Amino acid sequence: GQQVMQIPQYQHVQEGEDFTTYCNSSTTLSNIQWYKQRPGGHPVFLIQLVKSGEVKKQKRLTFQFGEAKKNSSLHITATQTTDVGTYFCAENYGGSQGNLIFGKGTKLSVKP
Amino acid sequence: EAQVTQNPRYLITVTGKKLTVTCSQNMNHEYMSWYRQDPGLGLRQIYYSMNVEVTDKGDVPEGYKVSRKEKRNFPLILESPSPNQTSLYFCASSFSGTQPQHFGDGTRLSIL
Repeated sequence: GQQVMQIPQYQHVQEGEDFTTYCNSSTTLSNIQWYKQRPGGHPVFLIQLVKSGEVKKQKRLTFQFGEAKKNSSLHITATQTTDVGTYFCAENYGGSQGNLIFGKGTKLSVKP
Repeated sequence: EAQVTQNPRYLITVTGKKLTVTCSQNMNHEYMSWYRQDPGLGLRQIYYSMNVEVTDKGDVPEGYKVSRKEKRNFPLILESPSPNQTSLYFCASSFSGTQPQHFGDGTRLSIL
């Protein structure tokens, strides 16, 4: 089946350091979504990228969609303890059919 | 309040005893989906539904059944649960398969 590769699997940072997680696909994507799951919680939608080369920002979070629409990244500037959690990308295969494939996630821990 | 409600939140049961996990959404979403989450494997889609009476297999449908008789409800049925179905299950809904998913709080199943 389709696969989306997400790296790294884990990331430990000191508070104030930056953090980046990457998602890569072997096929061209129609769009990509990013979610955050706090420990013990459920995934919460962060953003959706649709256009080639798209860059979106949410405060300290920057999301990018590659020019070829085969990769994406989430960058957090100056991490805070509230950023702790697992970040997932999700890729939509099949257009409107909606078979959503999630990456395995990057678990971020932040040391105060 | 817009929400996706799953029940039960926790369940410990034994192999072979049929169980149903209910999922209900109050957002008039057409698309609903079930995922299971296992350590190191991320979120894997079990089944999804594009609309009433329209369901399709995700990546890991074996051992599960679903039905979509009403727009708001999408129950997950384990006819003969086995220990390898011990997992954390999430229901999600959205307006379409390409739109952001709204997740329930999760159901933790332990099958002994």
